[in-house]
Amino acid sequence: EAQVTQNPRYLITVTGKKLTVTCSQNMNHEYMSWYRQDPGLGLRQIYYSMNVEVTDKGDVPEGYKVSRKEKRNFPLILESPSPNQTSLYFCASSSGMVGGGTDTQYFGPGTRLTVL
Amino acid sequence: QQQVKQSPQSLIVQKGGIPIINCAYENTAFDYFPWYQQFPGKGPALLIAIRPDVSEKKEGRFTISFNKSAKQFSLHIMDSQPGDSATYFCAASMQENTDKLIFGTGTRLQVFP
Repeated sequence: EAQVTQNPRYLITVTGKKLTVTCSQNMNHEYMSWYRQDPGLGLRQIYYSMNVEVTDKGDVPEGYKVSRKEKRNFPLILESPSPNQTSLYFCASSSGMVGGGTDTQYFGPGTRLTVL
Repeated sequence: QQQVKQSPQSLIVQKGGIPIINCAYENTAFDYFPWYQQFPGKGPALLIAIRPDVSEKKEGRFTISFNKSAKQFSLHIMDSQPGDSATYFCAASMQENTDKLIFGTGTRLQVFP
């Protein structure tokens, strides 16, 4: 089954404790993104990657890191989480460019993160 | 700033009604306007999309109306069903932004039997 998986689905942590949210897709997609979803703000792009070792900042990259060492994986790293990073996080992937409607983004099930 | 403004924030209709969700944008460079549907506990999924060279697109019970001069587009759900209860997001993107979607703030739709 073609899918985007994220782990963990739920995470409660404390301020300053480094964490990683994993994302994996089995569709051989080149493009992957991370979004955060907050009430009243919709989804905002954090980082995106157009291929292995190619990443770029989205709209809200502060406090986050990503890496793309393999095509299928795109982990999101919070080196020193803070309470304002409490949010619902989504990973997404597509085989081509989403901009202009060239292709469709497929979203993972989400990771709900709480930073105390 | 919010580049895509979506309204209403929530919407309640009875089964068979026609909920309408509106979005407005400012950047005339946007050239692709998708709608995503999100059920509780799930990620968003592409529902229907339109380009500015057409004024309307239908897929089943879902219709997008597009007004280029007003820089507005809307989603209409015909004969709404309880199974349509979800959060709907409009979005916009530009050709040259290779992997960027600008999302609206979302509309929570509840359809009662």
